[in-house]
Formats: sequence, structure tokens, C-alpha cells
Amino acid sequence: EAQVTQNPRYLITVTGKKLTVTCSQNMNHEYMSWYRQDPGLGLRQIYYSMNVEVTDKGDVPEGYKVSRKEKRNFPLILESPSPNQTSLYFCASSQGLGDNEQFFGPGTRLTVL
Amino acid sequence: LAKTTQPISMDSYEGQEVNITCSHNNIATNDYITWYQQFPSQGPRFIIQGYKTKVTNEVASLFIPADRKSSTLSLPRVSLSDTAVYYCLVAEAGDKIIFGKGTRLHILP
Repeated sequence: EAQVTQNPRYLITVTGKKLTVTCSQNMNHEYMSWYRQDPGLGLRQIYYSMNVEVTDKGDVPEGYKVSRKEKRNFPLILESPSPNQTSLYFCASSQGLGDNEQFFGPGTRLTVL
Repeated sequence: LAKTTQPISMDSYEGQEVNITCSHNNIATNDYITWYQQFPSQGPRFIIQGYKTKVTNEVASLFIPADRKSSTLSLPRVSLSDTAVYYCLVAEAGDKIIFGKGTRLHILP
């Protein structure tokens, strides 16, 4: 089944404790991205990747890192999480940008205390 | 990248047809119009995409007038399970993808 998977689905952590949210897709898609969603603010893009070893900042990249060492994986790294990074995070993949259909993962709900 | 404007929220009743209009006055020649649906705590899901005139699939219809400055997503005979946020996106191949705040559709019994 074609899908995007994220882990963990739920995470509660404390300020400053490094964490990684994994994202994997099995559709051989070139393009992957991370979004965060907060009440009243809609979906905002954090980082995106056009292909292996190619990443770029989205609209809200501060406090996040990503890597794309393999085509299927695109982990999101929070080196020193803070409470304002409490949010619902989505990973997405598609064959390309623009008019290509985006496939989203199930989401990761992160709480930073 | 054309900016889109859609209503913040809409209410309707079960069994009704719901039309959500999206305005995109600056749409470019090669832009496609795409709609996504998002249920609470789930990722958005592609519903329908079109370039001009009318597109229909098993879920919805998309009406695009000749000037393409707006588009209307039509959901026939909605049910409670159609309560969701609906996003209108306008982009061409290679464009950055931007989700706005969408339209929060609330279906009442």
C-alpha cells in the first residue's frame, strides 16, 4: 500500500531534550516536506527536499533541522525543543512540486513541557 | 504563485449540496487548481484537480469558469462525515506549495 509513515505518533518531552521524528514514504517520490499545524494558523511548511541531499527552508524553519540521506526517509530533528514547538506535525511526499498530488502522513502530535 | 481567498467557515445540513468558492484573481496560464480535504488530527487528502471547465470524480465536482479567476468545489448530498477543512491551492509544475487556512465546513444533522 502506498503510504507515508511517521513515528512517533505522539510524543511528550521536556525543553532542551533532542528528539527526532521519522518520516518514510514507499512511493519513490522525489519531493518531501514537513509542515506544522497550529490552531488558527493553518499548515505552515518547515522544510522541504527536492531529492537526496537537497533540502531547503520553508516558511518556519527556525529550531528545526532535516536530512535527506535516502530517497525514502526525511527525518525532522529538534536539537533543543522549546514549548513553542508544541504542535501537530505532518510529513508529505509527492512526485514533484506545484500541481503534483501531495500524500500526507498521519501526523505527530508533539508536546514540549 | 497565485494567492487564493476562500471563506473561513461554512455550515450546512446533511443531504444538502455544498459549494465552496475559491477566488484566485492572479492565476497564471499554467496554474492548476487543486482541492484538499482535512479531517481533524489527520493529514490533508487530495480531493480533485482541474484546469478549466468542469471536473467530476466520485467525491466532488470542480467548476472553473472561463476566466479561471475563481473555482467552486461542489460536494453533493453531504453527510456528517464531510465535516472537515477544505483547502484550495493554485500552482503550476515546479511551484512551491502553499496551504492557506482553508474553509472549515461544519455539517449539521
